Amino acid sequence: DTGVSQDPRHKITKRGQNVTFRCDPISEHNRLYWYRQTLGQGPEFLTYFQNEAQLEKSRLLSDRFSAERPKGSFSTLEIQRTEQGDSAMYLCASSVDRGLNSPLHFGNGTRLTVT
Amino acid sequence: AQKITQTQPGMFVQEKEAVTLDCTYDTSDPSYGLFWYKQPSSGEMIFLIYQGSYDQQNATEGRYSLNFQKARKSANLVISASQLGDSAMYFCAMREVAYSGAGSYQLTFGKGTKLSVIP
Repeated sequence: DTGVSQDPRHKITKRGQNVTFRCDPISEHNRLYWYRQTLGQGPEFLTYFQNEAQLEKSRLLSDRFSAERPKGSFSTLEIQRTEQGDSAMYLCASSVDRGLNSPLHFGNGTRLTVT
Repeated sequence: AQKITQTQPGMFVQEKEAVTLDCTYDTSDPSYGLFWYKQPSSGEMIFLIYQGSYDQQNATEGRYSLNFQKARKSANLVISASQLGDSAMYFCAMREVAYSGAGSYQLTFGKGTKLSVIP
């Protein structure tokens, strides 16, 4: 179990630029989640994949955000035309399909700063 | 309405003492799960303990125990014999079956409690 890996750890970008983050889940986990965490808040759900299918998106996920999970392995989260309000920690998590008691395993996150 | 409420923004505890972190939740789903996570300054969310709505006994994991009072909709985390390494943010989270949407089993988190352990 090598854990959930996220890349990069930190990203500084100028407003209006596009950014892409990568998440590599734990290899046998078929469920993958993206969360966003702003200062002083708990993580907020963005989107969910089961294998390669994106099955749920939060209303927080504006049309500038897109996520993919080709082949049901790693996932990418892209933000187009970044805004200062996008500055946050983006957390990826994965889990097995074991029902109610299956915890999410989180990566270290990607901290995005939009200047 | 907030689904998860953590009323203590910050807590201090003396090393080797026990501490209770409060969590109340709001759901009409009869089947749900409650989780606690620890987030050190490094940023990673670390799973600590789980309690299911139908579990008859309070969950325990090492120095962590969960004081589950279903009628009061509270799931307080108790950390015994605090250590300096326990200093971190602690988040309570809930998973609802009926309101997961597309079977995502997503977790809804509270705002967290910052615990500081004093030597």
